Amino acid sequence: DVKVTQSSRYLVKRTGEKVFLECVQDMDHENMFWYRQDPGLGLRLIYFSYDVKMKEKGDIPEGYSVSREKKERFSLILESASTNQTSMYLCASSLKFTGFDGYTFGSGTRLTVV
Amino acid sequence: GDSVTQMEGPVTLSEEAFLTINCTYTATGYPSLFWYVQYPGEGLQLLLKATKADDKGSNKGFEATYRKETTSFHLEKGSVQVSDSAVYFCALIGSSGGSNYKLTFGKGTLLTVNP
Repeated sequence: DVKVTQSSRYLVKRTGEKVFLECVQDMDHENMFWYRQDPGLGLRLIYFSYDVKMKEKGDIPEGYSVSREKKERFSLILESASTNQTSMYLCASSLKFTGFDGYTFGSGTRLTVV
Repeated sequence: GDSVTQMEGPVTLSEEAFLTINCTYTATGYPSLFWYVQYPGEGLQLLLKATKADDKGSNKGFEATYRKETTSFHLEKGSVQVSDSAVYFCALIGSSGGSNYKLTFGKGTLLTVNP
């Protein structure tokens, strides 16, 4: 069964900490994505990557960065965590030309910043 | 740009009731359309999809038909169960230019089914 695995289901971090959220996929997908999900706002795209070492900003990149050193791994970095980054974070991957299959999602990481 | 509008929730039904969740979209060309489901505490799972006009996607008793003339992709199920309680997201992937990798979501509809 194909998988997107997020390293943590729940995280609690302090304000100002540097936070790493890790995502690994085993499907040899070219595209990888990070979303955050908040009540009433739905899913908002933070960053995506269409190849190793390539990245593009999504709709809400402020306060975040990403790293993709290997095809299977896409990391989301909160440089200095703040309470307004408390959210559910979802990683997804897809084939390069994705119109027929959509995305495969991980189970999510619920991050609380205190 | 591309956009998806789905009916606001929450929707509360009794077991065995008929379900409709409305979804309309705005996109150029011929997008692919999806319904995703998110069970409590989980990530999103693909429920069904349709890639061209008049296609019907179906899975687990759910159905949706790609209607280009009304730019709609409404989700239906004839008899819901308690286990269908979840958040449902309508989404599309555009078919033109730089939007052919980006999944655009509606805001989600929370469905609660009572016994």
